[in-house]
Amino acid sequence: AQSVTQLDSHVSVSEGTPVLLRCNYSSSYSPSLFWYVQHPNKGLQLLLKYTSAATLVKGINGFEAEFKKSETSFHLTKPSAHMSDAAEYFCVVIVTTDSWGKLQFGAGTQVVVTP
Amino acid sequence: IAGITQAPTSQILAAGRRMTLRCTQDMRHNAMYWYRQDLGLGLRLIHYSNTAGTTGKGEVPDGYSVSRANTDDFPLTLASAVPSQTSVYFCASSEGGTGELFFGEGSRLTVL
Repeated sequence: AQSVTQLDSHVSVSEGTPVLLRCNYSSSYSPSLFWYVQHPNKGLQLLLKYTSAATLVKGINGFEAEFKKSETSFHLTKPSAHMSDAAEYFCVVIVTTDSWGKLQFGAGTQVVVTP
Repeated sequence: IAGITQAPTSQILAAGRRMTLRCTQDMRHNAMYWYRQDLGLGLRLIHYSNTAGTTGKGEVPDGYSVSRANTDDFPLTLASAVPSQTSVYFCASSEGGTGELFFGEGSRLTVL
């Protein structure tokens, strides 16, 4: 079985400071991991994905995430937050044993960016 | 603009009524999904379809049904709505099981 835990339900940062969103996963298989972002009243959009290639993954809008197997983590970071980064972020794990994958979503982390 | 179109964007419904949420995609993706989003619970899969003509149950299928008559359309039906089905519903599609989903903008449903 696989699951994903987002360790913070809310994160508040000042504009221009680093952002860290924490995600831990459990999986019986080699996982594929994703981060999605949801801006207010919008659908989710893929930020980045890890699929067993490079452990440091770069995504859109300056975000990146590092896969650490020993820590079963896939934390999302950005060096300098912008006001437009205010949104909800979801860590997602997929099991690839099926012909198609079933996604397990974390509960989400709400990011607030203050001026 | 290519993508997922959902309708209606918002609806208030009396308990016991039947409701169909519509979803259309123009990307020719073979897989489509319906999720519900509730505060603190993230997204939960209701039903999915790997390809036209096939459907499957997700994590929370009770009270919902779907059909996939063609590639583009994937309607979700609530046969007899109950207040616990108050939620925001998202339709999504993907090319196979890659995990790269494209989402619609959601349908907010309130059941009174």
